[in-house]
Amino acid sequence: GAGVSQSPSNKVTEKGKDVELRCDPISGHTALYWYRQSLGQGLEFLIYFQGNSAPDKSGLPSDRFSAERTGGSVSTLTIQRTQQEDSAVYLCASSRRDIRQETQYFGPGTRLLVL
Amino acid sequence: AQTVTQSQPEMSVQEAETVTLSCTYDTSESDYYLFWYKQPPSRQMILVIRQEAYKQQNATENRFSVNFQKAAKSFSLKISDSQLGDAAMYFCAWYGNKLVFGAGTILRVKS
Repeated sequence: GAGVSQSPSNKVTEKGKDVELRCDPISGHTALYWYRQSLGQGLEFLIYFQGNSAPDKSGLPSDRFSAERTGGSVSTLTIQRTQQEDSAVYLCASSRRDIRQETQYFGPGTRLLVL
Repeated sequence: AQTVTQSQPEMSVQEAETVTLSCTYDTSESDYYLFWYKQPPSRQMILVIRQEAYKQQNATENRFSVNFQKAAKSFSLKISDSQLGDAAMYFCAWYGNKLVFGAGTILRVKS
């Protein structure tokens, strides 16, 4: 597709369950970012992948959160033992290179609700 | 730590009028980038305009322009000739070593 896609668009889960959120970046984009947007809040940076470099995980809120990027393309954000405070919209973005040189393109997000 | 502050939770503007959204930031770095993003109800984040800190000239994109005051650490967005399609949440963001967003300003456009 032409843009960043994310799946699922909505996810409802029970507290304590694990969830996986998927991001398909724009083809050829080496940089991929995950953000979290809680209700009425700005975006919170979670993790950044750039090519084959070690990811910048400085934004992950706890060790329940992890992310992978396979083959330099698709990325999966995993939240283990979900808590109600994990409820938010999770946004993925990609850019051709570093954001300094290239515009960052966002996906539509996954709305996660933890009951 | 870097912070971005948007002091206006909500703004309203009459169609065809001009509105300015405020943004201030705090950083000790000298080399960074600033952005304004628009988030309509579809949740897609759309880049509106960006500014390199080393450039003194204010960025302009059609009806959107910024007033970048580096010494004051201020980066306001001016929307001229407002249109109904401009109604959205607007986020100011700073990028040095990572992207930091403000809390956002809801813009309502009245017809």
